[in-house]
Amino acid sequence: AQSVAQPEDQVNVAEGNPLTVKCTYSVSGNPYLFWYVQYPNRGLQFLLKYITGDNLVKGSYGFEAEFNKSQTSFHLKKPSALVSDSALYFCAVRDGYSSASKIIFGSGTRLSIRP
Amino acid sequence: DVKVTQSSRYLVKRTGEKVFLECVQDMDHENMFWYRQDPGLGLRLIYFSYDVKMKEKGDIPEGYSVSREKKERFSLILESASTNQTSMYLCASSLLWGGDYNEQFFGPGTRLTVL
Repeated sequence: AQSVAQPEDQVNVAEGNPLTVKCTYSVSGNPYLFWYVQYPNRGLQFLLKYITGDNLVKGSYGFEAEFNKSQTSFHLKKPSALVSDSALYFCAVRDGYSSASKIIFGSGTRLSIRP
Repeated sequence: DVKVTQSSRYLVKRTGEKVFLECVQDMDHENMFWYRQDPGLGLRLIYFSYDVKMKEKGDIPEGYSVSREKKERFSLILESASTNQTSMYLCASSLLWGGDYNEQFFGPGTRLTVL
């Protein structure tokens, strides 16, 4: 079965420093991977996705993610963190390739950026 | 912009009541989903639908049912609410999975408390 793991419940970073939020996956076949963000009191928003092609995927709000097949990872990164990046981040993988397939979400990582 | 709306932001019900959560999307999406979000558990899929009158069980369907009579509306029903169904409920929609493996658009959520 497809799955994703987010090994860190919380990540703390100083404003202006680079940030990384980790995600590892387990799939059979080619992975379709996503990152979503949830700001306080708001619904989830799509950030970026990896389907195929370049291993470095660029998304919204200056975020990017690096797909690494050998390490089965899809870490979210940003070169310079902002206080406004503080939110809950979810990694997700698509479970299968049919019209009835679904998205499986990780447990989430809370990112806290201190001024 | 895609808009996914949910009928209530906050709801308080009593044990044993029948509860209806409504979700409406305005972008003609084929897929619709209901998740519950609990701290440390991420998002867990309850049910999803990829067409009118079609439904598929997710990972935790017990105690829930759904209805999709029209393309834009997907209802989640708690037949007899219990305290362990106290949670944040999120609705999402997406285009039918195709070559682009589309992202999901989420509503703001309904925080349900069962007393």
